[in-house]
Amino acid sequence: GAGVSQTPSNKVTEKGKYVELRCDPISGHTALYWYRQSLGQGPEFLIYFQGTGAADDSGLPNDRFFAVRPEGSVSTLKIQRTERGDSAVYLCASSLMGAQDEQYFGPGTRLTVT
Amino acid sequence: KQEVTQIPAALSVPEGENLVLNCSFTDSAIYNLQWFRQDPGKGLTSLLLIQSSQREQTSGRLNASLDKSSGRSTLYIAASQPGDSATYLCAVKGNNNDMRFGAGTRLTVKP
Repeated sequence: GAGVSQTPSNKVTEKGKYVELRCDPISGHTALYWYRQSLGQGPEFLIYFQGTGAADDSGLPNDRFFAVRPEGSVSTLKIQRTERGDSAVYLCASSLMGAQDEQYFGPGTRLTVT
Repeated sequence: KQEVTQIPAALSVPEGENLVLNCSFTDSAIYNLQWFRQDPGKGLTSLLLIQSSQREQTSGRLNASLDKSSGRSTLYIAASQPGDSATYLCAVKGNNNDMRFGAGTRLTVKP
């Protein structure tokens, strides 16, 4: 079956602009996670959704970052007033029920802020 | 805050060799531990998931162990192949749902 998909695969934007990154989880998975991976580092947790609600958003670095999952399936990560330090690969993962289940990752969106 | 460390950062071995990758974590109150593989420019592929109550998991040539009390996990790869070349990431999930990753071990298996 289809895995986790993310669009776009690459995004280049200018400093100060607004960007949206999209994640389509595996069908039927109720839990969805966003991570950020900088070069040479492991992924860093950003936010976790259980259904439509953000169950844990403690990893969001500041209020420029926001994520939604209005219908409990597709999720959008939104970054306002982008900064060069936001450049990274943004990874999305989903799992069947929640915290105890194996996470399946998408290919990521590479964001470059110039 | 949970800290996850992976040693070595990079490893190069000849084809056919058995090898061990190490992962250590500072807080033993974990929910589970997962090993991933990441190829350049790609997402993460899950290899093995060990629940906190388990000691090890095996899949093919891979065996992962977990010693929660000492904060350690190892990934054993038997009879390594060039196709095993990738970055291997260890991730620890705490009881509060967040998953903490190590920086990874970059493995190169030479033909």
